[in-house]
Amino acid sequence: EVQLVESGGGLVNPGRSLRLSCTASGFTFAYYQMSWFRQAPGKGLEWVGFIRSNAYGGTTEYAASVQGRFSISRDDSKTIVYLQMNSLNTGDTAVYYCSRDANGPGCDWGQGTLVTVSS
Amino acid sequence: DIQMTQSPSTLSASVGDRVTITCRASQGISIWLAWYQQTPGKAPKSLIYEATSLQSGVPSRFSGSGSGTDFTLTISSLQPEDFATYYCQQYKSYPQTFGQGTRLEIE
Repeated sequence: EVQLVESGGGLVNPGRSLRLSCTASGFTFAYYQMSWFRQAPGKGLEWVGFIRSNAYGGTTEYAASVQGRFSISRDDSKTIVYLQMNSLNTGDTAVYYCSRDANGPGCDWGQGTLVTVSS
Repeated sequence: DIQMTQSPSTLSASVGDRVTITCRASQGISIWLAWYQQTPGKAPKSLIYEATSLQSGVPSRFSGSGSGTDFTLTISSLQPEDFATYYCQQYKSYPQTFGQGTRLEIE
């Protein structure tokens, strides 16, 4: 069974950094592209970015709203994908989800972790 | 960016009804469209990928159609657990973008 568990969320002051982790199990992690999405309170879904598998160069793509502030990385030996978030602002307040991209994007999702940016 | 527009925003229906949700892309996306279901407080669940392909384990009452700019999600006979919010998403190009969501509520 595919399992994705996000962690690392919490309350953070504007301008600070936070790193989220997504620990995967139940599948061969190294084979898959992994994505991050977010959902602000009461709002719709937003794509944050993804990281390709190392077989495809391990390269990344990002939404314009986070480009240059957020970075995604992966550790295939630990089956973890990370979302490093810098220069956070109140607009980044959201539940953050990781997903496995298998049959299309967002094939399997974690339960999400809440990030609140506030002073 | 490709804009995705869903209609209606809210849909009232009853158990057993057949319902259709529409998603329109601002430019052609071929078949690179996914549909998701989300209930309050839960993560989204993937229903459909490549516009028409059903994810494993998704009931056959769900179906997707369309290509290019116009797409539909149909639920053939609503069940109580289907009352949720539905989103379409294009993944033809970056940034991947979502529709605003359609809330399916009990009439």
